Amino acid sequence: ELKVEQNPLFLSMQEGKNYTIYCNYSTTSDRLYWYRQDPGKSLESLFVLLSNGAVKQEGRLMASLDTKARLSTLHITAAVHDLSATYFCAVDEDSNYQLIWGAGTKLIIKP
Amino acid sequence: KAGVTQTPRYLIKTRGQQVTLSCSPISGHRSVSWYQQTPGQGLQFLFEYFSETQRNKGNFPGRFSGRQFSNSRSEMNVSTLELGDSALYLCASSLATSADTQYFGPGTRLTVL
Repeated sequence: ELKVEQNPLFLSMQEGKNYTIYCNYSTTSDRLYWYRQDPGKSLESLFVLLSNGAVKQEGRLMASLDTKARLSTLHITAAVHDLSATYFCAVDEDSNYQLIWGAGTKLIIKP
Repeated sequence: KAGVTQTPRYLIKTRGQQVTLSCSPISGHRSVSWYQQTPGQGLQFLFEYFSETQRNKGNFPGRFSGRQFSNSRSEMNVSTLELGDSALYLCASSLATSADTQYFGPGTRLTVL
């Protein structure tokens, strides 16, 4: 059974700092997604990573995938308050046509 | 292109009642998934429908059911509501499988009193 673990689950940081959120998963997978959820809102897709070594970047967010280590990272560079949200990773469970979700990382960025 | 729509947005029910939630996917999307989100349990997969057939089901009791129509619109039903069913119910659509990029609706906030 595929398990997805995110850490940390909660992160409070100052604007201007860098930090990384980690997403570990337990079995092989072809695809990994990062989603963002603003407080009181729905989820929005950020990135899909399809192969080992894949890197995607948008603004201050960069996601990468290491399929051998079964690890994805979401790196935040020079954080700004607008990035405060909960970030989820989700992994494709190959034979089951469904995504397995991490618990989410609640990120608070203080001005 | 219109996004995923869910109705109603808010709902208040009492224990023992039943409720039906509706989801209209993005045009052309054939897979519809439903999730329950609570502060304690996080995001939990309920079920996924494709071509009017339930293709996957999460670990929820039989009180939770759903269906999909020929136009891909989907409904979920919860019977004999319990206090613990209070949650945000999210619908997501994707092109062919729930492992494709999912596009989420705004959710239905259900409160059970």
